[in-house]
Amino acid sequence: GDSVTQMEGPVTLSEEAFLTINCTYTATGYPSLFWYVQYPGEGLQLLLKATKADDKGSNKGFEATYRKETTSFHLEKGSVQVSDSAVYFCALSDRAGGTSYGKLTFGQGTILTVHP
Amino acid sequence: GAGVSQTPSNKVTEKGKYVELRCDPISGHTALYWYRQSLGQGPEFLIYFQGTGAADDSGLPNDRFFAVRPEGSVSTLKIQRTERGDSAVYLCASSLFTGQSYEQYFGPGTRLTVT
Repeated sequence: GDSVTQMEGPVTLSEEAFLTINCTYTATGYPSLFWYVQYPGEGLQLLLKATKADDKGSNKGFEATYRKETTSFHLEKGSVQVSDSAVYFCALSDRAGGTSYGKLTFGQGTILTVHP
Repeated sequence: GAGVSQTPSNKVTEKGKYVELRCDPISGHTALYWYRQSLGQGPEFLIYFQGTGAADDSGLPNDRFFAVRPEGSVSTLKIQRTERGDSAVYLCASSLFTGQSYEQYFGPGTRLTVT
């Protein structure tokens, strides 16, 4: 079955540091890929997505590129802020269309803490 | 512009009791999902509704769990004879098909604690 593996956390960085959170996946076909973020005390929010190979999703300074050859979707940000402290989840769903309905398979989450 | 709402936000119950968790999706979203998130883990799929029907209930852990969506909007997740292992955050999401992918919008969750 489908699965998502994220780098082990927690990750602790100083403000303005470079961030990478690794994500690899196993899936049949060509899934859509997502990063969700969960800020303290809040619900899951979609951060960015990519629906086909070589697509780059971006939002709020975060980026991730859909790499089919390495089955990866690593999250990056050039300069993190204290306000980026949250739990980040990588996820995939079947490609839309046909019998697909977008059921998400999540990684285990990576806790990011950014210090001033 | 209301998002997905879930009630209650917290529920504490005794082992063996029956509980109902409610989800109110975003207006106009026909697809609705339930997930369960255990401490330190990512959400795990439970059930999916398209309209009133449960199109995929393969994630329900056993027959103590049941969900309904009688009018194609609000959904209720029902758990009978609760066990301590049922303690988790139960998340509801509704989605919109964008033409390329389904974008799911999550509610804040119901934290269930079984004592």
